[in-house]
Parts: sequence; C-alpha cells; structure tokens
Amino acid sequence: DAGVIQSPRHEVTEMGQEVTLRCKPISGHNSLFWYRQTMMRGLELLIYFNNNVPIDDSGMPEDRFSAKMPNASFSTLKIQPSEPRDSAVYFCASRPPGLAGDPRYNEQFFGPGTRLTVL
Amino acid sequence: DAKTTQPPSMDCAEGRAANLPCNHSTISGNEYVYWYRQIHSQGPQYIIHGLKNNETNEMASLIITEDRKSSTLILPHATLRDTAVYYCIVRANFGNEKLTFGTGTRLTIIP
Repeated sequence: DAGVIQSPRHEVTEMGQEVTLRCKPISGHNSLFWYRQTMMRGLELLIYFNNNVPIDDSGMPEDRFSAKMPNASFSTLKIQPSEPRDSAVYFCASRPPGLAGDPRYNEQFFGPGTRLTVL
Repeated sequence: DAKTTQPPSMDCAEGRAANLPCNHSTISGNEYVYWYRQIHSQGPQYIIHGLKNNETNEMASLIITEDRKSSTLILPHATLRDTAVYYCIVRANFGNEKLTFGTGTRLTIIP
C-alpha cells in the first residue's frame, strides 16, 4: 500500500497567489481529514469528509480556505488569496470505514504533509 | 473531549524502557485514551489505544490506572528511531470524528 499521498511536498509562493494542495487517500478509506501544523498553534483539524461529503469545516480559518472531495480518491485544499500567516505544514489523513463506536474506527493514517511557505 | 497533560520533554537511554505519562483527570466513562507519535518531518502515526484495560501491541504497551485519570505509554526497548513527539489524546467514539492534538511530549533517545 502506498499510503496517503500528498502533493506537492513543498510549495513556496508569494502573498496573494492561489495555492492548491492535493491528497490521495488510501484506497478503500472513506474518511478524509485535512490538518494544519504550526509552531504556534500545533496540529489542528481544518475539515473532514465522510464518503466525499464535508462533515465539519469548523476548523477552516476563513473564507480564503476551501476544500473539495470530488471522488473517493482525491481531495484538494485551496487557499485564495494566500497570506504569509498561512505558512505551515498541511497534512492529509484518511481512515478506513467502520462502525461508529468501534475504537478501531479512529485510527487515522497520515500523509507526509505539504510544507507551504507564503512570502 | 477531556483535556490531557503531558510533560513537554523527556530523555531515555537507548535500549531502556521509555515511560511516557499522561494525565486525564476529567476523562469520562465513554472516552478512550489514544497515543500517536510524530517523528520529525513526518505525519503523526497511530500507536495504541485503550479504554480501561492495559493494552499491548507490537509497538508499545499502554497502562491505564484503575481510576482512569492517568495512563503511561511504555516503549519497552527504546531505539534512536523512537525519538519523536508523543501525543496522548482522550476522546469518545460516538459522534466525534476529531482527534485533538495537544503539545505532546518530545522524547529524545540518547545513544
């Protein structure tokens, strides 16, 4: 299994530019999570999807951020326009299907992350 | 979800057992204890979880006190590759998808 795949691994852009981060979850997983990690705020959940449907986007910082999951094997996180304070490592994670209440349902598999730098 | 408290950092000699404590004094009866770790420049990795019984897998052991207000993650024979930040997370499984990561414990294995 290739694991969760994220691209690009590194992105450097200038303030005001649009940034698109991509994620391919593990095949057969039906939940997908986007996290952001910074020194100041640690690791925080931005949004998650179940069966391609956004369930909770309360962690999305503001309207400049948007996420989509057009199918079970692909998701994007877009920032438009980007700002220097968006600089962080963005992780995507996926989880296999299961029954709520089964603790094995909660094991999330993380990708290697995308390091974003906004100048 | 219950709040957890972990020491910010710990050192352990290579080959010895690493014991990482976590306090979760406000844990509820339906909340599990999860441990993840994050090796430098990688995404977090699931280690183990438990409810009230002690648990062991190929990576680690989890000891939960009888009152469930604290737990200890044990890496029985620490290696240099175990150097990482270890996160203790407490959460229920019903209607809650989120993993809330705190600041964790930075474990350094000393050669």
